Amino acid sequence: AAGVIQSPRHLIKEKRETATLKCYPIPRHDTVYWYQQGPGQDPQFLISFYEKMQSDKGSIPDRFSAQQFSDYHSELNMSSLELGDSALYFCASTKGGSLYGYTFGSGTRLTVV
Amino acid sequence: AQSVTQLGSHVSVSEGALVLLRCNYSSSVPPYLFWYVQYPNQGLQLLLKYTTGATLVKGINGFEAEFKKSETSFHLTKPSAHMSDAAEYFCAVSDRGNEKLTFGTGTRLTIIP
Repeated sequence: AAGVIQSPRHLIKEKRETATLKCYPIPRHDTVYWYQQGPGQDPQFLISFYEKMQSDKGSIPDRFSAQQFSDYHSELNMSSLELGDSALYFCASTKGGSLYGYTFGSGTRLTVV
Repeated sequence: AQSVTQLGSHVSVSEGALVLLRCNYSSSVPPYLFWYVQYPNQGLQLLLKYTTGATLVKGINGFEAEFKKSETSFHLTKPSAHMSDAAEYFCAVSDRGNEKLTFGTGTRLTIIP
């Protein structure tokens, strides 16, 4: 079965650079969520989209922005990167915002040096 | 707002012994409850979830959890630990109608041969 695809799997950036993370949801899923998991931390909700509109916002820095495109894939754009942004970034998708079928991708590990 | 408390950041059990990982939640409305497992450098895999109905929920890999409303608990158990169970386990909660997940801080399970 198709899963949630995240790219890239690993990314190394320098401070003050920009990074773009991509998430491709399960086919026919219209809702995407982004989470950030720092080293040794629990995942923290960043932002979510339903039908290409932002549906909820968590602890996402102003330096970050995200959007969902017409094909339902989503991109998380991170600017002016800081060392503290080093984390595992997860995307999850579901259909209609339902908790049934809520599925996580394998994540993108971002390292800021 | 909801929250999750996982008692014990590290739990060690002998192979073949009972696994018990504790999770207590706080929610102003009837919750949806989840257990996820995370292996090193991998994504979050759903073990089991409680939404409605039977309070004893069976999941993958022989795990089960019981929703106890009076105790606001959702402890995860497995009768006999296997070496492959060594991983990080996260309990998560969501208010019904709000699909954002709030995670606990995780419990690292170590299996002693």
